[in-house]
Amino acid sequence: EDQVTQSPEALRLQEGESSSLNCSYTVSGLRGLFWYRQDPGKGPEFLFTLYSAGEEKEKERLKATLTKKESFLHITAPKPEDSATYLCAVWTNFGNEKLTFGTGTRLTIIP
Amino acid sequence: KAGVTQTPRYLIKTRGQQVTLSCSPISGHRSVSWYQQTPGQGLQFLFEYFSETQRNKGNFPGRFSGRQFSNSRSEMNVSTLELGDSALYLCASSMDRAYEQYFGPGTRLTVT
Repeated sequence: EDQVTQSPEALRLQEGESSSLNCSYTVSGLRGLFWYRQDPGKGPEFLFTLYSAGEEKEKERLKATLTKKESFLHITAPKPEDSATYLCAVWTNFGNEKLTFGTGTRLTIIP
Repeated sequence: KAGVTQTPRYLIKTRGQQVTLSCSPISGHRSVSWYQQTPGQGLQFLFEYFSETQRNKGNFPGRFSGRQFSNSRSEMNVSTLELGDSALYLCASSMDRAYEQYFGPGTRLTVT
């Protein structure tokens, strides 16, 4: 069965303090890995799609990278508005195709 | 471009009742997926519809069902509600498999 593990569960950073969130996965046949941001009481907001090991995508203060076993979401000089829960999800091609989500990292940026 | 819309946004139902939730996807998107989100289990896949056909299904009991109409709008039905069905139900649309999914704001269902 596909498994997605995100760490840490929660992370508190000072404004401007860079860090990385981890998403490790055990799947059969990865077709894509997605990063989402979710604010309280709202639906997840799409951030990135990564399809192959070595791929990187950037958007403002966020950069996502992918290896054969994990993905990192790097946050550079975060601001309070970056506070949210960050979710990763994997799309596989074995059996019942679907998105499998991790449980997320709750990020808090302190001004 | 309008995003994914879900109605209603909030619902309170009693155990044993049934409920229908609605989702309108982004224009041009033919795939609609439904998820249940709870604090303990996170986001769990319910089912996916594409061109009015259920293409994939998660591990939920038969009380959870859905359908998709010719305009790609989708509905989800839960019969014989249980307390454990209280959750945020999210709908997401995409062009097709392996494309990014765009989520709606969700329907918050409370079962009392």
